[in-house]
Amino acid sequence: RKEVEQDPGPFNVPEGATVAFNCTYSNSASQSFFWYRQDCRKEPKLLMSVYSSGNEDGRFTAQLNRASQYISLLIRDSKLSDSATYLCVVKVLTGGGNKLTFGTGTQLKVEL
Amino acid sequence: DGGITQSPKYLFRKEGQNVTLSCEQNLNHDAMYWYRQDPGQGLRLIYYSQIVNDFQKGDIAEGYSVSREKKESFPLTVTSAQKNPTAFYLCASSRGLAGGLNEQFFGPGTRLTVL
Repeated sequence: RKEVEQDPGPFNVPEGATVAFNCTYSNSASQSFFWYRQDCRKEPKLLMSVYSSGNEDGRFTAQLNRASQYISLLIRDSKLSDSATYLCVVKVLTGGGNKLTFGTGTQLKVEL
Repeated sequence: DGGITQSPKYLFRKEGQNVTLSCEQNLNHDAMYWYRQDPGQGLRLIYYSQIVNDFQKGDIAEGYSVSREKKESFPLTVTSAQKNPTAFYLCASSRGLAGGLNEQFFGPGTRLTVL
C-alpha cells in the first residue's frame, strides 16, 4: 500500500462547479498535512496546510479525519485558473528529521 | 526577493557523465532537500540536510551525491551510477525541525535529460 494515495483523475469540471478531492495516508504517526498545487511543468507550491479542526481559505476548504486517515480538499466556484495537479502531502517526524511524503497528485481541469 | 533558485532550467548530458545541479536559497532556512519527479509519480526524496556539513540519504539516494558547505547552497551531483537519471529535479527548503508546520518551499526545478 502506498504511504499516500490519491485518485489521479483527471477531474473535468465546468467553471463554477464545486469539486472535492480525497487523500488517504497509511502512517498513523503522521503529524502534519498539506495540499500543494503544481502547474504543468512547474514546481509545487503550498496551497494550504490542513488543521485538525478543518480550515478554510477563500474558496478552498481542507478537512482532516485522523480516525479514518484521510484528508480532503474542497474547491468551490471553480475557476479556469484552478486547473492544476493537487498534491496531498503528509509529514512524519523520523529519527533523521521531518519527512514529507507526497501523493502522486490529482489532476483538475476546469472547463468553460 | 527571497526564494530558491535552481540552475540550469534545462540540462542535457551524455550517458556516463556526472552532472551537478545547483540550488541556492536566501530564505535563511536550515533544512534543504532534493527530490526527483517522474511522470505519473509523486516526488521522491533523494537527499536532505538539516544543518550545514550534515546530510542524510532519502529514499532513492543511490547514484547521487550532495554537499552542504554553506547554509545557502545544496548542490546535487547525478553520477554515472544513476541508472535512470532523466527526470525533473526539485530542490526545496524549510525552516527545519524546530516546531511549526515546516512547510517546504520549492525552487523552479531542473529538467535533466541524459542522451
